Amino acid sequence: DQQVKQNSPSLSVQEGRISILNCDYTNSMFDYFLWYKKYPAEGPTFLISISSIKDKNEDGRFTVFLNKSAKHLSLHIVPSQPGDSAVYFCAASGIGTGANNLFFGTGTRLTVIP
Amino acid sequence: DVKVTQSSRYLVKRTGEKVFLECVQDMDHENMFWYRQDPGLGLRLIYFSYDVKMKEKGDIPEGYSVSREKKERFSLILESASTNQTSMYLCASRPPPVSPLHFGNGTRLTVT
Repeated sequence: DQQVKQNSPSLSVQEGRISILNCDYTNSMFDYFLWYKKYPAEGPTFLISISSIKDKNEDGRFTVFLNKSAKHLSLHIVPSQPGDSAVYFCAASGIGTGANNLFFGTGTRLTVIP
Repeated sequence: DVKVTQSSRYLVKRTGEKVFLECVQDMDHENMFWYRQDPGLGLRLIYFSYDVKMKEKGDIPEGYSVSREKKERFSLILESASTNQTSMYLCASRPPPVSPLHFGNGTRLTVT
């Protein structure tokens, strides 16, 4: 059973606009959330994280929002650039879920159109 | 900068062969992981190791084993490769406690 879900397999956005990638989770024990970016033929690279004590974390053009009551997080990229075109995975972990494991979503392919 | 190196980028093996996938990290991380990535399924944990000679099963350990004789090296072994093990295999490491994983570039394994 998929505990972390990314319901949009793909997203296309014009360069300069905002990209919003969404992620839902089912396990209320999750307390640490991450976003990874993956280019073809490369391993995922860490982008940004947030712990459950916060509802927002910002790093340059990337902001992650966490809504614990809705069990939902989102990644905002502003402004979007062609180099942002990649597959984005959200991941979650927490005490009681097997703290050493990260549960990954199925990924969203972002295409930024120049 | 953390470097996680997987020995092969592409491998083609025959059904029934024993396959070794090697991973080395250079940051003295205690925790190392093996994931596989399949379309529509995301990344799924096969095994992880939290110290030398220590290992725990992940979500999909069937058909796999692992070896960690030295801290920097974590090997994934397919005892008898099958076509349903054709996949992208990703190794990762991190220091405890919970912190971001650092991934290698992956090994794309094809079993024919």
